[in-house]
Amino acid sequence: AQKVTQAQTEISVVEKEDVTLDCVYETRDTTYYLFWYKQPPSGELVFLIRRNSFDEQNEISGRYSWNFQKSTSSFNFTITASQVVDSAVYFCALSVVWNYGGSQGNLIFGKGTKLSVKP
Amino acid sequence: DAGVTQSPTHLIKTRGQQVTLRCSPKSGHDTVSWYQQALGQGPQFIFQYYEEEERQRGNFPDRFSGHQFPNYSSELNVNALLLGDSALYLCASSLGVLPGQGARDYGYTFGSGTRLTVV
Repeated sequence: AQKVTQAQTEISVVEKEDVTLDCVYETRDTTYYLFWYKQPPSGELVFLIRRNSFDEQNEISGRYSWNFQKSTSSFNFTITASQVVDSAVYFCALSVVWNYGGSQGNLIFGKGTKLSVKP
Repeated sequence: DAGVTQSPTHLIKTRGQQVTLRCSPKSGHDTVSWYQQALGQGPQFIFQYYEEEERQRGNFPDRFSGHQFPNYSSELNVNALLLGDSALYLCASSLGVLPGQGARDYGYTFGSGTRLTVV
């Protein structure tokens, strides 16, 4: 069975601080995909990043960076120089490939980390 | 390029009633998945529809049913509503078959959800 654990329920930082959101996943599949989504108060899940299990390269996108380590089954997300607009709930998610001609399996979400960035 | 559209945005129903939620997928997507997000939790997979058939189902009772139309839009029906069905219901659209490792349009696009309150 697959599982995603986000141990941090809530994090509060002051603007311009760096913050790391932790994500640990469990799966026996060798091919899988990891995601991060942002959920502002409006409720919509905003896609941030997708990585596949064969690509362990870290990725940086502006103030966002992701560290994928298969050895520890972790996919952590760092926001550098946080801003008030980063305040939201962040979800880490996992999906595996179904046996439907390579179709995308459903997303398994962690419980989310609520990030509050104070001015 | 229209994203995922869900209706209604909010709904209040009485215990025992039935409800229908609607979803129009992102342009170019042919698959619709439904998720239930209880307060303070991560979204939970209900089921996925592809080619007008339910392709996969999560751990939800038969009271939850769905339908996909030829234009790829979808409905989620919940019968005999319980207080515990109160949640944010999210619709996600995607491509039914993986286009290949190099494809960038990959993953799920979520709507803003329908907030269902059962009283």
